[in-house]
Amino acid sequence: GENVEQHPSTLSVQEGDSAVIKCTYSDSASNYFPWYKQELGKGPQLIIDIRSNVGEKKDQRIAVTLNKTAKHFSLHITETQPEDSAVYFCAASRGDSWGKLQFGAGTQVVVTP
Amino acid sequence: NAGVTQTPKFQVLKTGQSMTLQCAQDMNHEYMSWYRQDPGMGLRLIHYSVGAGITDQGEVPNGYNVSRSTTEDFPLRLLSAAPSQTSVYFCASSYATGAQQYFGPGTRLTVT
Repeated sequence: GENVEQHPSTLSVQEGDSAVIKCTYSDSASNYFPWYKQELGKGPQLIIDIRSNVGEKKDQRIAVTLNKTAKHFSLHITETQPEDSAVYFCAASRGDSWGKLQFGAGTQVVVTP
Repeated sequence: NAGVTQTPKFQVLKTGQSMTLQCAQDMNHEYMSWYRQDPGMGLRLIHYSVGAGITDQGEVPNGYNVSRSTTEDFPLRLLSAAPSQTSVYFCASSYATGAQQYFGPGTRLTVT
């Protein structure tokens, strides 16, 4: 089955700096890669996703890149703000798996003013 | 729309007790799933359903039962709670495979 590894487990950045979280996956048939943000006491919320026919996707200060050959994808947050502090999860799934997501272990991001 | 709702928010059980975690969605989504979240392990899929009357096992199904009699509701049953089931449980729904999954607020369960 799919195995997703996520690094780092914790990330501290100064406000205004960039943050990068990296994930690798094992199943070459995976073709959907979402990123979720989880604030304390809440459920995960999708912030951006990418499919295997796209190499990069941006949404304001957030971007995701995908390298299918190397089987890794990354989340980039630019101009970080205190409200970006949260736990971020990457995930992967196959198109034939009825949406079963395999999650990474999560990255605790702390943005200090 | 309320989205995905879960009850209760918190629950404490003694070993061997049974209970049902409730999940409901008002978005007419066909796909619903249950995850558990443990420290350092991300979210792991327990059971999922692709429509009313259809359920299947995920990665960690042992000790849990599900049923899906309506599109809206997807309850998770613990038949005989064990301390290893202490976790935060999330229900999620989506309108199709590979589409955005919407998560509920979670149920924090402690088994003593």
